[in-house]
Amino acid sequence: GQNIDQPTEMTATEGAIVQINCTYQTSGFNGLFWYQQHAGEAPTFLSYNVLDGLEEKGRFSSFLSRSKGYSYLLLKELQMKDSASYLCAGALSGNTPLVFGKGTRLSVIA
Amino acid sequence: SAVISQKPSRDICQRGTSLTIQCQVDSQVTMMFWYRQQPGQSLTLIATANQGSEATYESGFVIDKFPISRPNLTFSTLTVSNMSPEDSSIYLCSVLGADSETEAFFGQGTRLTVV
Repeated sequence: GQNIDQPTEMTATEGAIVQINCTYQTSGFNGLFWYQQHAGEAPTFLSYNVLDGLEEKGRFSSFLSRSKGYSYLLLKELQMKDSASYLCAGALSGNTPLVFGKGTRLSVIA
Repeated sequence: SAVISQKPSRDICQRGTSLTIQCQVDSQVTMMFWYRQQPGQSLTLIATANQGSEATYESGFVIDKFPISRPNLTFSTLTVSNMSPEDSSIYLCSVLGADSETEAFFGQGTRLTVV
């Protein structure tokens, strides 16, 4: 089966760094995605890891350890506009739908 | 990337009625997916819409309640039938990227309220 876990809520201060963790228990994952979703809007793609290690893209970085079934999304220099839900999702193989975690609601405070 | 136009963006419907949601993609795609996102929850896959064959439904979702059409490689519809307040959700269509076949793109979503 597929099970993706991530914290429900997190709060961080503007300008700080926050790490959102995601663990998964499944076999055959072909990549791990992170999406950002603002309230009332559709999810937007942030990052994709298929190999172990850190992928950096501006203020956002994502890490994957396939042996540990673990990923995290790192957000640096937090801004108020980063307040959103962050969804961890896995793909089993090409041409299959993504499996989503429940999402982590991040609140950035002044 | 793929651009998806989904409509309506929102609707308020009476219980017992049906609503059809449309998704138009700006390129031909093999797979189209329909998700439901209930308030405060993550995305739950309803079904995979296949061109030229019946949709494949996930556990807990049935064709009579959520009939799907996929007449060509750029268009799909999802109908929410005989609605009840429990059907109040955001409904999203999604496609996989044509190049990577892995990244998923989403329509803007349809916020449905059943009263």
